[in-house]
Formats: sequence, C-alpha cells, structure tokens
Amino acid sequence: EPEVTQTPSHQVTQMGQEVILRCVPISNHLYFYWYRQILGQKVEFLVSFYNNEISEKSEIFDDQFSVERPDGSNFTLKIRSTKLEDSAMYFCASSERTREKLFFGSGTQLSVL
Amino acid sequence: EDQVTQSPEALRLQEGESSSLNCSYTVSGLRGLFWYRQDPGKGPEFLFTLYSAGEEKEKERLKATLTKKESFLHITAPKPEDSATYLCAVIPSQGGSEKLVFGKGTKLTVNP
Repeated sequence: EPEVTQTPSHQVTQMGQEVILRCVPISNHLYFYWYRQILGQKVEFLVSFYNNEISEKSEIFDDQFSVERPDGSNFTLKIRSTKLEDSAMYFCASSERTREKLFFGSGTQLSVL
Repeated sequence: EDQVTQSPEALRLQEGESSSLNCSYTVSGLRGLFWYRQDPGKGPEFLFTLYSAGEEKEKERLKATLTKKESFLHITAPKPEDSATYLCAVIPSQGGSEKLVFGKGTKLTVNP
C-alpha cells in the first residue's frame, strides 16, 4: 500500500536554528498538509497546500514557518528560527480529494534545545 | 469555537470484553467525522469517515456510528493487537475550512 514518507524521523536542533522537515506524499494525491502533536496534547493543524499554494493555515503557522513543494514529489516544512515551544512531533499528510481521508506519515520528532 | 471531546481518556479491557468509545463534538456544522488509530511513535492511521447522522461503518471488530452530536466507536471482542490510541476528528462546515479538528484520543489497552 502506498504511504507518506517523512525524513528525518528525529531532529535535534539548537534554539534559533533553521530546520527543514521533509515529506514525500503519495504520488497521485493533490492535497498536502502539516500537523503537529506536542507530547500529551491533541494533534493540531498547521497548514494545507493545494495547487502549489497555501490554501489554509492556522494561527500557529506564523512568519517563522514556510512550506514548499520544490519538485513533483517532495513537500517541505521550514522553521526559520526555532523556539523551545516548537518541540513536537510533526506529521505530514496527503489526500486525493478534499474532505476525504488523510494519509499520515510516521512523523518527525523535533527537539529544540 | 469548534471542539471535539473524547471519553474515556483511557480504557483497559480484557481480551473479548466489548466496549464503546465516545466522541462528542460541538461544531458549526459537520462536513465529516473521522476515526483514526495511532500507535506509539507513529502517525494516525485512517479507520472510518462518517458524513451524516445515522451513518454506520464497520471493519473487522470495529464499528463506527454517528448522531447529530456524537460518534461512537464500538469494539467487539477486542484482541491485544487492538491496543492503541483512537482519535476522533471533525471537519467543521463553517468558513470552508478543510482542517481536521482532533480530540485528545482514548488510549485503549486490551489485556490477554
């Protein structure tokens, strides 16, 4: 079965550093998402991306965050200057159509020291 | 504000002991309700989508139902491999948002 692939599985960084989280969505999917989950808390929406542009973003997704689909297969989340509170599990997801099931990757555990 | 509340937070069952998990939602209209399973250190894995009150979906030992205010995930004769956190999420209809709003989940442990 096709799956969403995320790299790296773990990322440790110093506060203020830039990080790029990478994702390869399922090949025929058109809608791409980033969610995050702080330990012990709910899964939270960050951003959705369709047709090479952001279609929706949450209040969490401020100017420090950006997303990009640099080629036909990769989807990235960049955090320009990480903060301690950015420490979380970041999940990439994709779907074939809107309002249908999302397929999630296994996540990148980001630890900001 | 759109809210999803799941209960109980944790549930321990003996193998074969059937039970139900609850997901109640307060949203401005419902475009879809989703059930996911999450294993430790993994991403959510899709189980069911329900779109309208009265709808039911079934898969192996799991059955999801939907009313206007809540959804239930019924687990019949569970096995230890059903142990996981079960997440409920909704897509509200207001404003054309497509984001999933998640509950905190119910952590299910099935003892052999």
